[in-house]
Amino acid sequence: KNQVEQSPQSLIILEGKNCTLQCNYTVSPFSNLRWYKQDTGRGPVSLTIMTFSENTKSNGRYTATLDADTKQSSLHITASQLSDSASYICVVNSNQGGKLIFGQGTELSVKP
Amino acid sequence: EAGVAQSPRYKIIEKRQSVAFWCNPISGHATLYWYQQILGQGPKLLIQFQNNGVVDDSQLPKDRFSAERLKGVDSTLKIQPAKLEDSAVYLCASSQTTAGYTFGSGTRLTVV
Repeated sequence: KNQVEQSPQSLIILEGKNCTLQCNYTVSPFSNLRWYKQDTGRGPVSLTIMTFSENTKSNGRYTATLDADTKQSSLHITASQLSDSASYICVVNSNQGGKLIFGQGTELSVKP
Repeated sequence: EAGVAQSPRYKIIEKRQSVAFWCNPISGHATLYWYQQILGQGPKLLIQFQNNGVVDDSQLPKDRFSAERLKGVDSTLKIQPAKLEDSAVYLCASSQTTAGYTFGSGTRLTVV
């Protein structure tokens, strides 16, 4: 069964600290993996997208990694800001009809 | 480029009433998706269009939900009659390839 599991479910950190969010997937066939940031009541906004051959991709203070062998990905946020408070969703795109398989998300709260 | 446009942003209706949501995808994007996102959960695909044809509507509750994409551009999603459990954010997304998903800001529906 195609699944995407994220951990932790929620996370609270202090402003300026770093954090790492995890994503494990069992999707096959695999096309690409994306990390989205979703503010409450808004649509998801793409942070990174990685294909099978890519190990690391950065977007400002966000760095995503992908290990296609172990089917694991992580999203590292450096020097967190209050505006980073949001839900972070890991999404895997299966080659089968371009279907997206969503993780449940990690709710990040950055406190002053 | 302009993003995916959705309206309205918010809607409050009573149960058993009808409601319709509108989506205008990015110009040239052949594929359009409607997702339902219940609070605290990841988005669930309701229906996928390729131009004006339906690719996947396996999770659309067809007894009360309907969607159309006339002329392969704009799309409307309708709920008739609404139930309390339909309260959610309804997201529209469009893509040109499997790599280029873009989400709209969503419509937050509250059924009372």
